Amino acid sequence: KAGVTQTPRYLIKTRGQQVTLSCSPISGHRSVSWYQQTPGQGLQFLFEYFSETQRNKGNFPGRFSGRQFSNSRSEMNVSTLELGDSALYLCASSLVGGSSNTEAFFGQGTRLTVV
Amino acid sequence: DAKTTQPNSMESNEEEPVHLPCNHSTISGTDYIHWYRQLPSQGPEYVIHGLTSNVNNRMASLAIAEDRKSSTLILHRATLRDAAVYYCSRSNTPLVFGKGTRLSVIA
Repeated sequence: KAGVTQTPRYLIKTRGQQVTLSCSPISGHRSVSWYQQTPGQGLQFLFEYFSETQRNKGNFPGRFSGRQFSNSRSEMNVSTLELGDSALYLCASSLVGGSSNTEAFFGQGTRLTVV
Repeated sequence: DAKTTQPNSMESNEEEPVHLPCNHSTISGTDYIHWYRQLPSQGPEYVIHGLTSNVNNRMASLAIAEDRKSSTLILHRATLRDAAVYYCSRSNTPLVFGKGTRLSVIA
């Protein structure tokens, strides 16, 4: 079956702009989590959605937001981009999430560069 | 705060076993230990997870210390395709990666 699909793969934006990233989870998976990965900070959790509801949130400013649709596809939005938002944004899907006894499947990520 | 400690790098010869350690001394009694690996320009890939007893799957084995404060990921026969950064996490909700261990495999 198809894996987690993230679009676009690469993106270049200017400071102050906004960006929307998309994630299609594995068919049947209802939990989608978003992570930011940078060389300096490593992998940092942004938020998790389950059944269209945000279930968990990391420590990021309000410029970072997300949503999940009824088909479990998810989008994340970053407004007023800053240079420090340049990172690899990863989406992970799991069957139900919310449990430590389950594996997550990652997409290849979206590489965002803010100039 | 990753709350896990791993060596920065390790090296192995091809076809030999590799033991990748992870310390997670503050893990709670109900948290599973998860291992992922990441190849360049790719998202992390699930390897294995476990709670108390040792676990095996087609990719690797996971040996968990009796006090659960540490674990070891075992690749039984390293191949060139196993060269990656390996991360352990003491939680899956959410995953918390430290710096990971960069594994180099020498042909």
